Amino acid sequence: DAGVTQSPTHLIKTRGQQVTLRCSPKSGHDTVSWYQQALGQGPQFIFQYYEEEERQRGNFPDRFSGHQFPNYSSELNVNALLLGDSALYLCASSLGTGSYNEQFFGPGTRLTVL
Amino acid sequence: GDSVTQMEGPVTLSEEAFLTINCTYTATGYPSLFWYVQYPGEGLQLLLKATKADDKGSNKGFEATYRKETTSFHLEKGSVQVSDSAVYFCALSASGAGSYQLTFGKGTKLSVIP
Repeated sequence: DAGVTQSPTHLIKTRGQQVTLRCSPKSGHDTVSWYQQALGQGPQFIFQYYEEEERQRGNFPDRFSGHQFPNYSSELNVNALLLGDSALYLCASSLGTGSYNEQFFGPGTRLTVL
Repeated sequence: GDSVTQMEGPVTLSEEAFLTINCTYTATGYPSLFWYVQYPGEGLQLLLKATKADDKGSNKGFEATYRKETTSFHLEKGSVQVSDSAVYFCALSASGAGSYQLTFGKGTKLSVIP
């Protein structure tokens, strides 16, 4: 059973560019959350998708947007990249949105903005 | 808002030493509490969890007890191994409708030397 997968593994972009990161949830999971983990910090919640809708959003600007597809996979888009967007982006999936539901994390996409 | 504070690292221990990593939280209501572990180059893995006061989560020799009176969830292990070297994150998921996100501490890096 494949766990959460993310692509690409690494990405290098320049300031002002746009980037799309992809996530496939663990089999049977219907909810996807995205987190940003800066170097040496804990992950910070960006947003969560369930039934193809954004259910909750963290304290991130509108440059960060997302999408969930009918097969539950998800994309994270970041526009007008800033140097401060350099981080590890983690995708997590769960079955349902309840606070008790365990979130399974993927290995992450390392984004470097030059 | 919700927050998690965990002891600063890095922590260096000899093999078979006793481990304690302190974690305290601030949240309204009755959050669920988690410890996640991140091995080098990998995503986060759930280590253990507790969903109500006085619950004890345990896994792979690690334990943590949900203490509501002290708002704490300290991680302990009686005898660490070199393979336990990783970064440990304490996290909470707030209770109530519409509270889907995980809030993480900054992480504590543990190095176990033979």
